[in-house]
This record gives sequence, C-alpha cells and structure tokens, in this order.
Amino acid sequence: ELQLVESGGGLVKPGGSLRLSCAASGFTFSSYNINWVRQAPGIGLEWVAAISSSSIYIYYRDSVKGRFIISRDNAKNSVYLQMDSLRVEDTAVYYCARTHLGASNQYGSGSYDHWGQGTLVTVSS
Amino acid sequence: EVVLTQSPGTLSLSPGERATLSCRASQSVGGFLAWYQQKPGQAPRLLIYDASNRATGIPARFSGSGSGTDFTLTISSLEPEDFAVYYCQQRSDWPLTFGGGTKVETK
Repeated sequence: ELQLVESGGGLVKPGGSLRLSCAASGFTFSSYNINWVRQAPGIGLEWVAAISSSSIYIYYRDSVKGRFIISRDNAKNSVYLQMDSLRVEDTAVYYCARTHLGASNQYGSGSYDHWGQGTLVTVSS
Repeated sequence: EVVLTQSPGTLSLSPGERATLSCRASQSVGGFLAWYQQKPGQAPRLLIYDASNRATGIPARFSGSGSGTDFTLTISSLEPEDFAVYYCQQRSDWPLTFGGGTKVETK
C-alpha cells in the first residue's frame, strides 16, 4: 500500500527548530518529486518547498528561504524538512506530498496525487 | 507570484444539483492547473490535474475545463460525500500557489 507518513511536529518556541520527516513506502520513491505543503488552522493550503527526485533541484517559498532546508535520502525512502528560526506564522499542519508523474517536471514541480496525514507544528511562547 | 482567485467562496446546493466552481489566475498558467477536494481533518485529494484530466479513481461526475487564466470544476450531480472544500493549484511557475478555496455546503 502506498503511504507517506510524516513525523516530527510539535510545540516549539519562536526562534526554535524542528526537523520533520516523511517516510514513504509502496512505490519507487526515487522516481518522484516530493513537496512540503502547509495549512494554518482554518486557512487554505500553502506550498513550502520542493525537491526533485534526484535532489538536483530545490525550491522554497520566499518566507522560508534561509530558515528551512529540504532534503531527501532515496536509500531510506525519506524526505526531511529542517526548520530553523521558527516564527509564530509558521504554525500549521505540514503535509508531504508526492507529485503525479503525469503532472510534474524534472525541477520538482507538480500536482500532488498522494499526501501524508500531516504533522502539526505549533510555534508559540 | 501567480494569484489564484476562486469563486464563489461558498456554494450552497442540494444533493443532485450541479456545482460549478471557478478559478481565475492572475497570469496564464497554460493548462497546468489542478483541483483538490478536502474534508475536515483530512489531507487534500487530487481530483483533476492539468485542467481536465481526472485522477485515478475519481468519479466521472467531476470534470475540469479551461486554459490560460480561467478554469472551471464541475460536479454534474452532487452526492452527499461531495460536500467539502475545493482548491485549485497551479504548477506553471514558482512559487506553486493554491486558490483560497470554495466551500460546497448543503443547502
């Protein structure tokens, strides 16, 4: 069964750090781009970061550049999001999402055909 | 940044009725637009990719159309399980962006 399982969320003070993990199973992980998408409580969806299948291409939204780092380990079928200098406005459910092979490109972009269940990150003093 | 504007914000309809949802882009995204359905407490589910292609397992009552800046998601006859929030998303340019959502609620 195809699965994406996030972990690593929690409560952290402003300025703190968290590392999210996304463990994949049930498909050829190394063939797919993976993105992180977040959703603040009661708000819509916001793309955060993208990594191409071979890690050659990486993109971030401006508000997290210099603070977040996306990486992947294809041997472990996992993607990570290192989040430093966290702000209150980073509070959200963070989803990892796989891009659809028929709706993606080599640069990491795509539409998402499978999502994890999400992990909640709360930044509060 | 490509801004996606969805309308209406809320659509109040009854089961069996037709739902028409709109997504307008601030600049052309070609055909690189997707639609998702999200229910409370769940992750989004891909319905339509690249404007008009139904994702695997999506019922035929869901259809997408449009290109450039104007896109439409149509649900031909609402089933009880279709009442949810719907988002559009473009993959044409960085940053990838989502619309603000349309809530389809029971009238």
